[in-house]
Amino acid sequence: DGGITQSPKYLFRKEGQNVTLSCEQNLNHDAMYWYRQDPGQGLRLIYYSQIVNDFQKGDIAEGYSVSREKKESFPLTVTSAQKNPTAFYLCASSIDGSGVEETQYFGPGTRLLVL
Amino acid sequence: AQTVTQSQPEMSVQEAETVTLSCTYDTSESNYYLFWYKQPPSRQMILVIRQEAYKQQNATENRFSVNFQKAAKSFSLKISDSQLGDTAMYFCAFMNRDDKIIFGKGTRLHILP
Repeated sequence: DGGITQSPKYLFRKEGQNVTLSCEQNLNHDAMYWYRQDPGQGLRLIYYSQIVNDFQKGDIAEGYSVSREKKESFPLTVTSAQKNPTAFYLCASSIDGSGVEETQYFGPGTRLLVL
Repeated sequence: AQTVTQSQPEMSVQEAETVTLSCTYDTSESNYYLFWYKQPPSRQMILVIRQEAYKQQNATENRFSVNFQKAAKSFSLKISDSQLGDTAMYFCAFMNRDDKIIFGKGTRLHILP
């Protein structure tokens, strides 16, 4: 089946540790996105990528890093610089991100908790 | 700055009733897209309906329809014959030509048996 997968479903981070959240899509979409959701908040954009080997910061990029070495994959690393990482993280993709097809499709999400 | 406002943090309706979720947004652009996403307890985000701003006709998907008032910058979602499975968090979202999407804070909808 075509879709977006995120792993793990739950992730625990110790103080000072970097952790990486996986996002994979087999929809042949060019654009991919990472969002963070906190209770009572809407989604906030962390990073997005419109093409392989290129990505841009979103509204809350500090403390996070990404890479886009392959079209199918857009992993998000939560670094030790992110002081409040506990949240639900959603990955999304869209066909090309250029304005031709705007709908974003979401993965199931990863919940990150700090020990 | 572009903003999306959902003024109803939480709503409850009886099964089979019709419910309307409100959304207003602020933009100076004339071409953009609007969306309603559903987030059930599983937390997965599901696209419910989308509307292109240049289209005057309101979008409809089965029991879901929108009332798009461009001049008023209003984009409400109507759910007809509500079902227990409609219980979820609903997010209104706006996307501009730069392809950045902005979400409202959400409305938690409870469908009561």
